Amino acid sequence: GENVEQHPSTLSVQEGDSAVIKCTYSDSASNYFPWYKQELGKGPQLIIDIRSNVGEKKDQRIAVTLNKTAKHFSLHITETQPEDSAVYFCAAGGNYGQNFVFGPGTRLSVLP
Amino acid sequence: GAVVSQHPSWVICKSGTSVKIECRSLDFQATTMFWYRQFPKQSLMLMATSNEGSKATYEQGVEKDKFLINHASLTLSTLTVTSAHPEDSSFYICSATRQPTWEQYFGPGTRLTVT
Repeated sequence: GENVEQHPSTLSVQEGDSAVIKCTYSDSASNYFPWYKQELGKGPQLIIDIRSNVGEKKDQRIAVTLNKTAKHFSLHITETQPEDSAVYFCAAGGNYGQNFVFGPGTRLSVLP
Repeated sequence: GAVVSQHPSWVICKSGTSVKIECRSLDFQATTMFWYRQFPKQSLMLMATSNEGSKATYEQGVEKDKFLINHASLTLSTLTVTSAHPEDSSFYICSATRQPTWEQYFGPGTRLTVT
């Protein structure tokens, strides 16, 4: 089955700096790679996703890149703000939600 | 759009009792719903996949007789934790997918504490 690794487990950045979180996956059949932000006591919120037919996707300060050959994908947050502080999870799975596996999460702290 | 609600948001029950958690897609019809469990400072672990009108598919290691899932309509799935024990205390989160993108939209979660 799918196995997703995520690094780093914790990340502290100064406000305004960029943050990068990387994930690797094992199942070459996976073709849907979303990123979620989870605040304390709440459910995960989809912030961006990418499918295997695309190498990069951007939405304002957030971007995701995918290298399907190397089986890794990354989340990039630019101009970080304190409200970006949360736990971020990557996930990998099939296009229809099948075999969906989450990474272990990254706790991001943006210091003012 | 794509709002998923859960009820209750938190519940405390005594050991041996059963608890029902509801998951609703408020503004769309969900093709499939998923149930996850999350322990403190850990990732989400998929428990089961639920399709309307059919039996749920449970992940390996999840007791289907203990975690009963009913997907009665395209907007409602319920998870019943039967004969709950303290080790069942956790954060239970549902998600719903819709066509054609099949993105998963998560509910706010239900914190279950079994005393």
